[in-house]
Formats: sequence, C-alpha cells, structure tokens
Amino acid sequence: QKEVEQNSGPLSVPEGAIASLNCTYSDRGSQSFFWYRQYSGKSPELIMSIYSNGDKEDGRFTAQLNKASQYVSLLIRDSQPSDSATYLCAVNGARNTDKLIFGTGTRLQVFP
Amino acid sequence: NAGVTQTPKFRILKIGQSMTLQCAQDMNHNYMYWYRQDPGMGLKLIYYSVGAGITDKGEVPNGYNVSRSTTEDFPLRLELAAPSQTSVYFCASSSGRLDTQYFGPGTRLTVL
Repeated sequence: QKEVEQNSGPLSVPEGAIASLNCTYSDRGSQSFFWYRQYSGKSPELIMSIYSNGDKEDGRFTAQLNKASQYVSLLIRDSQPSDSATYLCAVNGARNTDKLIFGTGTRLQVFP
Repeated sequence: NAGVTQTPKFRILKIGQSMTLQCAQDMNHNYMYWYRQDPGMGLKLIYYSVGAGITDKGEVPNGYNVSRSTTEDFPLRLELAAPSQTSVYFCASSSGRLDTQYFGPGTRLTVL
C-alpha cells in the first residue's frame, strides 16, 4: 500500500460545479495534512492545511479530515476553469515528522 | 521577501558531468528540502536539512549530495550525471516540521 494515495484522474467537472478530490494515507499516526495546487510547468503552492478532524473552510475551498478512516479530501465550490491543475495531497507522518509524503496528484479539469 | 529562489531554471548536462543546483531562502526557515518530480509523478524527497550543519537522506538520495553551511542556502550536487537524473528539481523550506513547505520555482534538468 502506498503511503499516500490519490486517484490520478483526470477529474472533469463543469464550471460552477463542486469538485471533490480525495486522498487516503497509511500512517495512522499522521499529524498534519496539506493540499497543494500545481499548474503545469510550475511549482506546488499551498491551498489548505488541516491538522484536526473535521472541516476547514477557506473561501471556495474546504478541506475535510477523518483520521479514523485515514482520508483527507478537498472540495472546491463554484469551480472555475482557472482551478484546472494537478492537486497534490501531502501528509506528515508520525514516524517521519521531518518529511512530507506526497501523493502522485489528481488532475482536475474544469470545462466552461 | 523573495521566498525560495533556485538557479539555474534550465540546464542540459552530458552524461558524467557534474553540477550544483542552488537554493536559497530569506524566510529564516530551519527546514529545507530537495525534491525531484518526474513527468506525471508526485514529488520524491532527495535530501533534507533541519538546520545548518545537519542533513539527512530522503527517499531517493543516490547520485546526489548536499551541504548546509548556512541557514539560507542548501545546494544540491550531482557528481556524475546520468540520464535517470533527468527531472524537475524543487527546493522547499519550512519553519517547522509540521508546518507548510514553500517551494522554489524549480530547475528543469536534462541529462543527455
């Protein structure tokens, strides 16, 4: 089992819809969780960080964490074509808290 | 603040050549990281440092070396370039082990 797993996509949603991106992780002791957005040819940039169970909202973005089920998700409301990018889930494991483990990313396509 | 800077942006090497990828940050972060990203893949950790004078191997350290003589700089050295090292290299920094990592713009390296 990979340490951090994501569906590679592409996930295609129409403009204005909700995009739901999911990530599962294997280390039950993981403490911090991040969603990064990466446009083609660019570096990753932080969208959301979450540390506690539940939801965390920031504008059109909501991160959801469920430690019992070992998954973290990112919801994007009112999706825009400019949201089209690859979304990387990253988890800071309990055993290796100095490092982030990245998933391979989910490619999101928002069409007009 | 410039954040995390990397030089060069692009480089083509011949097999067996050596080079140093430069990374600097002006955020006074203790933690610095080097990743590589192959096409369609996630980020793989090469080396990281938790402070000046301290470095440790990541997931894929073979063929690379690092040093951390100052808080600001974290150069990555390739001694004998191989085609398998063709990739995009990202440097990142963070203020703490559970904190957000901030990425530089990347260096695109091709080894022929």
